[in-house]
Amino acid sequence: GAVVSQHPSRVICKSGTSVKIECRSLDFQATTMFWYRQFPKQSLMLMATSNEGSKATYEQGVEKDKFLINHASLTLSTLTVTSAHPEDSSFYICSARDYEDGGNEQYFGPGTRLTVT
Amino acid sequence: QKEVEQDPGPLSVPEGAIVSLNCTYSNSAFQYFMWYRQYSRKGPELLMYTYSSGNKEDGRFTAQVDKSSKYISLFIRDSQPSDSATYLCAMTPYENFNKFYFGSGTKLNVKP
Repeated sequence: GAVVSQHPSRVICKSGTSVKIECRSLDFQATTMFWYRQFPKQSLMLMATSNEGSKATYEQGVEKDKFLINHASLTLSTLTVTSAHPEDSSFYICSARDYEDGGNEQYFGPGTRLTVT
Repeated sequence: QKEVEQDPGPLSVPEGAIVSLNCTYSNSAFQYFMWYRQYSRKGPELLMYTYSSGNKEDGRFTAQVDKSSKYISLFIRDSQPSDSATYLCAMTPYENFNKFYFGSGTKLNVKP
């Protein structure tokens, strides 16, 4: 089955620093990857759609200068949280679609828990 | 009104019970329906997906879609403690399969 990995799984950083989260599709090529944010006991909130080789499409209300997304290859997308603040603390999850299997399902990574102190 | 409504639970059942999880939606453009299972502090795992109205079975899981009523269900037979997790429904409209609409998730607890 399609496997998506994320790194790191957990990160603690100080306020004002930047944090990069990697999302990789391990056994398929993903032309489109998605970044979500999830607060405790809430559902997933789509932040942006990342297309390989082009600029990401951000959802309304998501600051593109704060959440930098780079989809440099067909298997890797990165999310950089710049000048992080405590309110950025959350669970960040990426997903990817495997277009070759003909379906529209998204396969999710295990998530990255970010804590900003 | 949310586009996808899902009872948050928690739903507590004894081991071996049949579990019924449900979502309703308001947008008739939704054409593709999925169920995900999410364990605590983990990413969602795809369980079932379907395009059409009717039933789709996979092992102990059955996904049911009723487009006329805008209602989808996931049934779990012979529930096990390992099924204890949060179950999320998700759906996409025909005109934009990249846009996923998630339910808020139902927390299920299967007691041994």
